Amino acid sequence: DTGVSQDPRHKITKRGQNVTFRCDPISEHNRLYWYRQTLGQGPEFLTYFQNEAQLEKSRLLSDRFSAERPKGSFSTLEIQRTEQGDSAMYLCASSPGRSSYNEQFFGPGTRLTVL
Amino acid sequence: AQSVSQHNHHVILSEAASLELGCNYSYGGTVNLFWYVQYPGQHLQLLLKYFSGDPLVKGIKGFEAEFIKSKFSFNLRKPSVQWSDTAEYFCAVIRTGTASKLTFGTGTRLQVTL
Repeated sequence: DTGVSQDPRHKITKRGQNVTFRCDPISEHNRLYWYRQTLGQGPEFLTYFQNEAQLEKSRLLSDRFSAERPKGSFSTLEIQRTEQGDSAMYLCASSPGRSSYNEQFFGPGTRLTVL
Repeated sequence: AQSVSQHNHHVILSEAASLELGCNYSYGGTVNLFWYVQYPGQHLQLLLKYFSGDPLVKGIKGFEAEFIKSKFSFNLRKPSVQWSDTAEYFCAVIRTGTASKLTFGTGTRLQVTL
């Protein structure tokens, strides 16, 4: 399977703990996106990378959230001092960088539950 | 900033019924439009997209959507739904020529009964 992969698929943590999620984009996709989806809502944009550069961050991304894409391939999203309001599905998407078309391909998501 | 409205939150149809899901966006510039589908237990998949040209676009599994610029709408249609179309459908918009974020609607849950 050459699609976007995410790990872990499910994460249960206690409030105050730190968690880290990983996303592996489709090979050779330059752009990588993180979204958050809560029940009954559509995905909401968090942040976006072009290769290793983080080019845009949403106001949803508080200072407890940090994302990296150190070598322009996989990306990690870390949440520090988790809160119950962080419970959501965290989605990763990637898109090719050479075309003007903006189709994004989504991974299966990581479902975070904060107790 | 752009926004997307999906008017129907939950739709229940019998098999073979026709489907139309509404989507309106708010943005003054040129946009690209998408419909994504999420089947139970699966990840988001692209159903169809509009970039330019013919405003009537055809996607997978018999779906189509029509872009009406004057109405800022991009409604999804299917003449005859199947039980396997049961899923959540999301409309999304992005500013043309940008590599930035997709803005999604809240989604429509479609339930098709036998």
